[in-house]
Amino acid sequence: EVQLVESGGGLVKPGGSLRLSCAASGFTFSNAWMSWVRQAPGKGLEWVGRIKSKTDGGTTDYAAPVKGRFTISRDDSKNTLYLQMNSLKTEDTAVYYCTTGSVVVPAAIWSFDIWGQGTMVTVSS
Amino acid sequence: SYVLTQPPSVSVAPGQTARITCGGNNIGSKSVHWYQQKPGQAPVLVVYDDSDRPSGIPERFSGSNSGNTATLTISRVEAGDEADYYCQVWDSSSDHPVFGTGTKVTVL
Repeated sequence: EVQLVESGGGLVKPGGSLRLSCAASGFTFSNAWMSWVRQAPGKGLEWVGRIKSKTDGGTTDYAAPVKGRFTISRDDSKNTLYLQMNSLKTEDTAVYYCTTGSVVVPAAIWSFDIWGQGTMVTVSS
Repeated sequence: SYVLTQPPSVSVAPGQTARITCGGNNIGSKSVHWYQQKPGQAPVLVVYDDSDRPSGIPERFSGSNSGNTATLTISRVEAGDEADYYCQVWDSSSDHPVFGTGTKVTVL
């Protein structure tokens, strides 16, 4: 079964740090370009960033609001994606989803066809 | 950056047709994808590449894209279709995906 399972969310004070994990199974994780997408309470979806597969360079890219504070990494030996979040702000409060495309729907290259259940991050004093 | 605009809400009676628009500059030149999100759940891809459906998505869901507007059409609406719907494109200028503002579909 194709699955993404996030963990690591919780309550953190402004200025603090948190690391999220996303465990993948049921597909070839090492080939996947993985993204993080977040959703603030009552708000819409916002792309956070992406890491390419190592065969495609393994490079990362980030949305402007998190660039310089968040770092995405991957451990293909553990089929796990990470999101290191530093200098957290109250506006980072959201459910964080890991997601990827072209797994269940091979032709869906530029969309996201599998999603984790999400993990909640609350930044508050 | 590229902006996608959706109506905040659409209301439709059971059995009728719901149309959800997604506006963007020359969006017809891009591939548009649509997601359904029910409360407390992760998004689900319902249409990709303007009008294709993943396996398991009912034929009642269809999409079109032309000019400055893409449209998700839900035919013969059911109570279970009540959800938030988001459009998404890949902005080639930034190499980032962009999501629409989201539309809440209410089944009367």
